[in-house]
Amino acid sequence: NAGVTQTPKFQVLKTGQSMTLQCAQDMNHEYMSWYRQDPGMGLRLIHYSVGAGITDQGEVPNGYNVSRSTTEDFPLRLLSAAPSQTSVYFCASSYAVGGGYSNYGYTFGSGTRLTVV
Amino acid sequence: DQQVKQNSPSLSVQEGRISILNCDYTNSMFDYFLWYKKYPAEGPTFLISISSIKDKNEDGRFTVFLNKSAKHLSLHIVPSQPGDSAVYFCAAIIGGATNKLIFGTGTLLAVQP
Repeated sequence: NAGVTQTPKFQVLKTGQSMTLQCAQDMNHEYMSWYRQDPGMGLRLIHYSVGAGITDQGEVPNGYNVSRSTTEDFPLRLLSAAPSQTSVYFCASSYAVGGGYSNYGYTFGSGTRLTVV
Repeated sequence: DQQVKQNSPSLSVQEGRISILNCDYTNSMFDYFLWYKKYPAEGPTFLISISSIKDKNEDGRFTVFLNKSAKHLSLHIVPSQPGDSAVYFCAAIIGGATNKLIFGTGTLLAVQP
């Protein structure tokens, strides 16, 4: 059982380049989300999805796009990378509601470390 | 506007002593609270949680206390072990329509042998 898989693990981009961070889960979770972790800021929610075809913005959505065509995949697109997007990105999945689990089944990937120069 | 706050960026304790990590929140709609532990180069892992209808939850060495009137929760680790050294995040969920998980800024715990 792989859980949540993020690729790539590391990436360096030049300012203005675009790229897609991949996220896949094999737990049939309805809910998926993307976070970025920055020093002193904790983890901040970028975008989330409550099911295939449904996405919404989190706390810091600017500069990022998402789509959810399948239950398993939730890619995060950087349209035109900026140095301010240098961060560690985490994808997470969970049940849409409590599901009887004490943590809502929240499972995180191991992260993608992105540097924009 | 930070809805979940951890005012201590770091904490250092001796092995065997108690570690107390604190968290404050501003949104009274939060009805479920969680603590996550994070090692470098890994994703956060779930540690313990508490519903807003309770004031205490215990799991082995870990206990979470919730004071709703003060909008404050704390995580107690007794006894602390060197392997507990990590960043600890407090997080909160507004149940019902969505289960968005909102994180605090984190506290780096260092347990000295």
